[in-house]
Amino acid sequence: EAQVTQNPRYLITVTGKKLTVTCSQNMNHEYMSWYRQDPGLGLRQIYYSMNVEVTDKGDVPEGYKVSRKEKRNFPLILESPSPNQTSLYFCASSLWTTDTQYFGPGTRLTVL
Amino acid sequence: AQRVTQPEKLLSVFKGAPVELKCNYSYSGSPELFWYVQYSRQRLQLLLRHISRESIKGFTADLNKGETSFHLKKPFAQEEDSAMYYCAPFPLNTGTASKLTFGTGTRLQVTL
Repeated sequence: EAQVTQNPRYLITVTGKKLTVTCSQNMNHEYMSWYRQDPGLGLRQIYYSMNVEVTDKGDVPEGYKVSRKEKRNFPLILESPSPNQTSLYFCASSLWTTDTQYFGPGTRLTVL
Repeated sequence: AQRVTQPEKLLSVFKGAPVELKCNYSYSGSPELFWYVQYSRQRLQLLLRHISRESIKGFTADLNKGETSFHLKKPFAQEEDSAMYYCAPFPLNTGTASKLTFGTGTRLQVTL
């Protein structure tokens, strides 16, 4: 089944404790991206990747890192999480930039 | 800069009433236009894409290039239409074509 998966689905952590949220797609998509969803602010893009080893900042990249070593995986790294990074995070992929985006199930992160 | 405006955060309608969810955008050039929907506790999914000209679940969206709008419409709202709706005009042929911007979303509430 074609899909985008994310892990973990729920995570509660403390300020400053490094964490990684994984994202994987099995559709051979070129484009992958991370979004955060906050009430009243909608979906905001954090980082995106147009292909392996090619990543770039979205609208809200501060405090996040990503890597794209393989085409299927695009992990989101929070080196030193802070409470303002408490949010719902979505990974998405598409064949190319402006094609239909396929979203993962979301990861609800709480930073205490 | 890319700008996407969904002026209503919440739209409440009665079952059977017409629905119009507004979306205005400002881009140079012609964007690729999408509407995405997020039902309660589910991932975002494509509702419709302008280029395909399909009508999904009774929804249609008309592009008005003069007003740069892409409003989503349905003649008779159903309870199962209650969800969060995001407008997503993705720019083509611009320097920032890789960065994707979603609207802030409109929550549609269909009541009996």
